[in-house]
Amino acid sequence: DIQMTQSPSSLSASVGDRVTITCRANQDIRNYLAWYQHKPGKIPNLLIYAASTLQSGVPSRFSGSGSGTDFTLTISSLQPEDVATYYCQKYNSAPFTFGPGTTVDVK
Amino acid sequence: EVQLVEAGGGFVQPGGSLRLSCAASGFTNYINWVRRAPGKGLEWVSIIYSGGDTYYADSVKGRFTISRDKSKNTVFLQMNSLRADDTAVYYCAGDSGLCSGGGCYNKDYYYFYGLDVWGQGTTVTVSS
Repeated sequence: DIQMTQSPSSLSASVGDRVTITCRANQDIRNYLAWYQHKPGKIPNLLIYAASTLQSGVPSRFSGSGSGTDFTLTISSLQPEDVATYYCQKYNSAPFTFGPGTTVDVK
Repeated sequence: EVQLVEAGGGFVQPGGSLRLSCAASGFTNYINWVRRAPGKGLEWVSIIYSGGDTYYADSVKGRFTISRDKSKNTVFLQMNSLRADDTAVYYCAGDSGLCSGGGCYNKDYYYFYGLDVWGQGTTVTVSS
């Protein structure tokens, strides 16, 4: 099965900073990748699918890029409400594995 | 908008069984079960497509079975031989069917573009 990794595992940044999270697959998954935001006490929220397509209703400060094995999620200007754990998920074929997550905090 | 409501969580001893249910208010192309163990990240567990195909994570294969009752628009997760490491909040999640254009089908030509509809979750605790 394809393994997913994310880096960093956690980060702390200031409001307004540009934040980048990396997701890597150990085999080619083309652009079959989604990103989720999971806030404490809330249900997960789909941010991006097909590696770079912004889900309806998601703020435009979120963007995704990449293809093949390397992907990034970028928050262009970090806001206090962005404190959450972010996960990538591959969906080229089952199993639809999630990455281990990246926890984002605001300084 | 599709809504999902889980039920069936609870406390069970190791080796025991539980059946979770996920009632959908409308059509979904697929329903997944995703869990989050205490202190851990999200873990994909299983999927059932509207056509009936099913898949499982290796960690639950042979112990968990996903099924559905079309007449009640409800998906079930039968969990047998439960272990302490199955303790988690279990979410059912699916799609709103609103995806259009590219990225809506994976390489196996199954409609899948992520999980944009989630239930509130139900807690399963496996402990002696």
